[in-house]
Order: sequence, then C-alpha cells, then structure tokens
Amino acid sequence: QSVLTQPPSVSGAPGQRVTISCTGSSSNIGAGYDVHWYQQLPGKAPKLLIYANTNRPSGVPDRFSGSKSGTSASLAITGLQGEDEADYYCQSYDSSLSAWVFGGGTKLTVL
Amino acid sequence: QVQLQESGPGLVKPSETLSLTCTVSGGSISSYYWSWIRQSPGKGLEWIGYISYSGSSDYNPSLKSRVAISVDTSKNQFSLKLSSVTAADTAVYYCARLHHYDSSGYIFDFWGQGTMVTVSS
Repeated sequence: QSVLTQPPSVSGAPGQRVTISCTGSSSNIGAGYDVHWYQQLPGKAPKLLIYANTNRPSGVPDRFSGSKSGTSASLAITGLQGEDEADYYCQSYDSSLSAWVFGGGTKLTVL
Repeated sequence: QVQLQESGPGLVKPSETLSLTCTVSGGSISSYYWSWIRQSPGKGLEWIGYISYSGSSDYNPSLKSRVAISVDTSKNQFSLKLSSVTAADTAVYYCARLHHYDSSGYIFDFWGQGTMVTVSS
C-alpha cells in the first residue's frame, strides 16, 4: 500500500483530456511538500515530467500540467497522443516516514 | 547532458549482499546528491537512500539497517550495498541524481536505465 494513492488506470481517446489524481495526507502533500510527476514508458526508466507541483522541465510539452490543493495533486494531459501511453507516478516527501515517497502508479491507456 | 549507468551482478543468493555501482558521465559527481531507487516487478517505486559528493548520506528507514551507499569522486561513481537480501529485494534498481531545486525541494531529475537484480539460490 503506497503512501500516495493513485488510480491504477485511466484511459482516453486520442485528442481527449485525462487527469490523474494523487492523494496524500497531512504528513506529506498536506504538510506543504511539493509534488512531482514522472512518466515511465514501457521498459524504460522514469522521466521527470512535472516538478514542484506545476513546473515543466525543458522539453516537456505544455500538454502536460500539474496542480496541487490541500492533501492532493493532479496531473492533466490534454490532446492525448499514442506516445503518452505509459505509467505515471507522483512523488513527494513524507515527514512521518522521513523518506521520499511515490504513488503506486497509474497506467494510462490511449484507446 | 548527465548520464547514469548502473552495473553489477544480476543474480544474488539469499542472505548475501547486493552490490551495485552507478557511473556518472557528462558531468561531475560533485555539487550534487545521488540516490538509489528500486522497482519491484509489477510494483511501484521505492526510494532507498542518497549520498552527497562529500559523503553525507541518508536512507529509507525501512531499509536503513541493511543499506550502505558510498561515493568515489575520483571515478565519478557511487555505490549501493544491501545486505541480508531475500526474494523481496528482487527488483530493478535505478540510480538517479537528486537535485536540490529550492530551499526545501528535491527532485530525481536524471535516471539510469536500471538494472534487474534477482535474489535466488
């Protein structure tokens, strides 16, 4: 059971918008720690997608956006493309565990 | 562009020590923190620990009693040792750069390709 909770799977048709939620608690997201998102393509290493809740590293398309409110965060992907099919992980810091923690991951399927 | 490459045995016997090395290229290991993260088959990601270029380190409390991470700045490498392994330690092990982007924020911004380690007799 992951400290950060994500839906196991989401899906959408090409061109559509999908969101992936990440729910934490008062010892991680709710404590004010930033949330980051990683994209893991099949058979590859995770890649930083969004950092500090809303920021995109250089080279990440603006179709990807992040938000944070209270004890939760969300990743939104607009204009879905087949190449977006991957696993997505949220990550933050947990003060009770004294550890960086990840969500369980969400598998995005592009229909 | 910083690149990281893990190396080490792909098979370790139960109760023995898992040893991996990460070689950093395209940049100096100095001035950054470096981390190990693992991903068990079909499961999520777990942070193992980090080390700084100066040698200070911290570990996930769930693994702390069995983990040691060291750094060799002359070789631009850092290493992981995980002792008393069991089948539960079977996973893909990633090395990553831990980047301090503001006063309290850290991100894993560059990752190695990962190396599969199986614990089995």
